[in-house]
This record gives sequence, structure tokens and C-alpha cells, in this order.
Amino acid sequence: QKEVEQDPGPLSVPEGAIVSLNCTYSNSAFQYFMWYRQYSRKGPELLMYTYSSGNKEDGRFTAQVDKSSKYISLFIRDSQPSDSATYLCAMSASGNFNKFYFGSGTKLNVKP
Amino acid sequence: GAVVSQHPSWVICKSGTSVKIECRSLDFQATTMFWYRQFPKQSLMLMATSNEGSKATYEQGVEKDKFLINHASLTLSTLTVTSAHPEDSSFYICSARDFGEDTQYFGPGTRLTVL
Repeated sequence: QKEVEQDPGPLSVPEGAIVSLNCTYSNSAFQYFMWYRQYSRKGPELLMYTYSSGNKEDGRFTAQVDKSSKYISLFIRDSQPSDSATYLCAMSASGNFNKFYFGSGTKLNVKP
Repeated sequence: GAVVSQHPSWVICKSGTSVKIECRSLDFQATTMFWYRQFPKQSLMLMATSNEGSKATYEQGVEKDKFLINHASLTLSTLTVTSAHPEDSSFYICSARDFGEDTQYFGPGTRLTVL
């Protein structure tokens, strides 16, 4: 079993839709959770970062962590064609920031 | 802030030659740098972790004599692919972390094509 599971998609939505991207994990030691956005042939860009459980909002993006269910989500409101990219979740255990565990990435396509 | 650059962005080389890829942190000191490899439509695979002034720590299955990593300063790490072969063709991405920071910042990646 992989440490982090992420549906690879592709996920195709119309412009303006609310998008929900999710990851599940198995290691209860994970405390730090990140979402990266990666455009084709580019490096990942840090979008959201959360510690432990709870919600964090930044503009159209909301990150949610449910540690009891070992489940994290990224919501994108009013999705735009420019949001079309691959979204990677990543997580690490407390005190070990040199070891990140990545999901396989979900490819999102927002149609105009 | 937290900008990481890579050079070159794309390189084509002949089989048997060596290729050097540079990774620089532009606005912070990177006490730790990471090198990843990414195959098409797949996630990132960590190759090695390097701390400034120390030897790199390679992940299992990564040939340290083939992928030479140098982290000589707090802003620069290099990855040299020695005696490159077509199977080394891939997208190589570096990331960097400052001491005390709890996340990594990624470079834009280098696409290596070995003919």
C-alpha cells in the first residue's frame, strides 16, 4: 500500500465550477500537508500549506485536513482555465522535513 | 520570495557524455537541497538529499557514481549525470529548504534528452 493515495484523474470541469481534489494517507505521523500545482513541463509550485487538522483559505483555494480520517482536500472555487494543471499533494511527519511523501497527482482540466 | 532556479531548462546530449544541471536558491539560503526525477504522468521520485558542505544521501536504487551531486554553497547544488544513456532521459527537478523551514520550494525543472 502506498503511503499517499491520490486519484490521477483526469478531472474535467466547466469554468466556474467548484473543484474538489483529495488525497488519503496511511501514516498517522504525518502532520504537515501541502498542495502543489504543476503546469506541464514545469516544476511544482507551492499552493497551500497546513499543519495538523483544520481548514485554511487563500483566495479561491481552501485546504482541508481531517486527520481522524487520514484525508485531505483542496477546493478550488470559481475555477478558471488557468487552473488547468496537475495538483500534487505532499505530506511529512513532524520533525522530518527532509522526507516528503507525494501523491501521484491529479490532472485537472477546466474547460472555458 | 523562495525562488529556486535551474539551468539549463532543456538539454540534449549524445549517449556517453556527461551533463551538469545547476540548482540555485535566489533569495534564501538552502541548507538542504533535493533532487527529484519525474517520468511522464508520474509523481516525483526523490533521488538524493544534500546538505551544504556534506556528501549527498542517495535513495535506494539510485547510482551515486552515475548521478553526482555537489552542494558546495548555501545557494547552489549541481547534479551531474555521468555517461548518460537514453534511459536517463527524464525531467529532473530540484527543490530547496532553509533550516527551520518546514516546506520545500521547487525549481522549474530540467528536461534531459539523451540521444
